[in-house]
Amino acid sequence: GAVVSQHPSWVICKSGTSVKIECRSLDFQATTMFWYRQFPKQSLMLMATSNEGSKATYEQGVEKDKFLINHASLTLSTLTVTSAHPEDSSFYICRLLATSGRVSYNEQFFGPGTRLTVL
Amino acid sequence: GNSVTQMEGPVTLSEEAFLTINCTYTATGYPSLFWYVQYPGEGLQLLLKATKADDKGSNKGFEATYRKETTSFHLEKGSVQVSDSAVYFCALGGNAGGTSYGKLTFGQGTILTVHP
Repeated sequence: GAVVSQHPSWVICKSGTSVKIECRSLDFQATTMFWYRQFPKQSLMLMATSNEGSKATYEQGVEKDKFLINHASLTLSTLTVTSAHPEDSSFYICRLLATSGRVSYNEQFFGPGTRLTVL
Repeated sequence: GNSVTQMEGPVTLSEEAFLTINCTYTATGYPSLFWYVQYPGEGLQLLLKATKADDKGSNKGFEATYRKETTSFHLEKGSVQVSDSAVYFCALGGNAGGTSYGKLTFGQGTILTVHP
């Protein structure tokens, strides 16, 4: 089946550093990608929606200058957590809506997630 | 706004037991409803969905019926297997073709563990 990868799968960093998380589709293209974060024993919370070639749309309460999203191509979106702090420690998950490739149109796929721990 | 309330876990069952995971929602309009499953170390996968009232989604022995009168979408399976051990998420999404299509609101997830 279609594959979505996230890199890194886990990262530990010091407070104040920036961390980039990549989300790639390996055998399909996606015009629309979503980024979620999940706290332990809590639901996935939508952070932002990105469309290839345009600026991301952020959900209320999500700081766009802190969580930089770059949807550079139809197969790659990156989330950069700038000046990370311990409260940013979370599980970050991407979700893609397929537009072409060996999958159905608008079929959706999730990445396996990235565990971020900020010390 | 939209919200999803899901049965708290964890749920622990013996193999071949009957499973129910409750899910209720609040939403405006006519949302689509989904169940996702996340196996250890993997991304979320769509398990089943229903797009209108009284629809029944089914897959791999799991079923859920879209009940508009009770705003519910409970997940059931008649006989669980060890391989069903995973985290299950109920989710609500916009209608296909609407401006909110693609956005999902998730429940908090229910951990299911099935013992031999």
